[in-house]
Amino acid sequence: NAGVTQTPKFRVLKTGQSMTLLCAQDMNHEYMYWYRQDPGMGLRLIHYSVGEGTTAKGEVPDGYNVSRLKKQNFLLGLESAAPSQTSVYFCASSSKTGELFFGEGSRLTVL
Amino acid sequence: DQQVKQNSPSLSVQEGRISILNCDYTNSMFDYFLWYKKYPAEGPTFLISISSIKDKNEDGRFTVFLNKSAKHLSLHIVPSQPGDSAVYFCAAPGNQFYFGTGTSLTVIP
Repeated sequence: NAGVTQTPKFRVLKTGQSMTLLCAQDMNHEYMYWYRQDPGMGLRLIHYSVGEGTTAKGEVPDGYNVSRLKKQNFLLGLESAAPSQTSVYFCASSSKTGELFFGEGSRLTVL
Repeated sequence: DQQVKQNSPSLSVQEGRISILNCDYTNSMFDYFLWYKKYPAEGPTFLISISSIKDKNEDGRFTVFLNKSAKHLSLHIVPSQPGDSAVYFCAAPGNQFYFGTGTSLTVIP
């Protein structure tokens, strides 16, 4: 019973490098989300998707891109990482009317 | 603009006592609210929810109260246990899920 799975769990990047975080859910959920959590800031929405092939900007989208080519996967990309993107990233999914299910988080450090 | 607010970043309570975590919201169109619990190094997990047609929902030691006129909800944990020590987020679904900034609860044995 995997639920929401994020890979990788940890990553260290140098400024300017690129990377992709992968989120996979096996609950056939329509909606998927990427959040970042920073001390004192709570959970801030980066991008979200309401269905395969669709994406939308959240509260803090700058510096990130996303893709939802398959219903079960939601990718978060950093094209040119910056130290301000050091954070813990959480993926979540939900049905149209249900609660959010979160992954375990991906800790990213940008040096 | 923060649509869901948790004004207390932290709370400490003695084991066995009541913990009360508060949350305020600004959007009167919200009709459903959720509380999530988060342990360090884990993702948030769903705890309890309440629909706007109710003013109270209870699940074991956890009770959520909703005051629509005040746009305020609270989570009561009775009795508090050390394992309840975590960060608690309130949330409301709209076009997206809106989260408060969280309250870190410490239950002292």
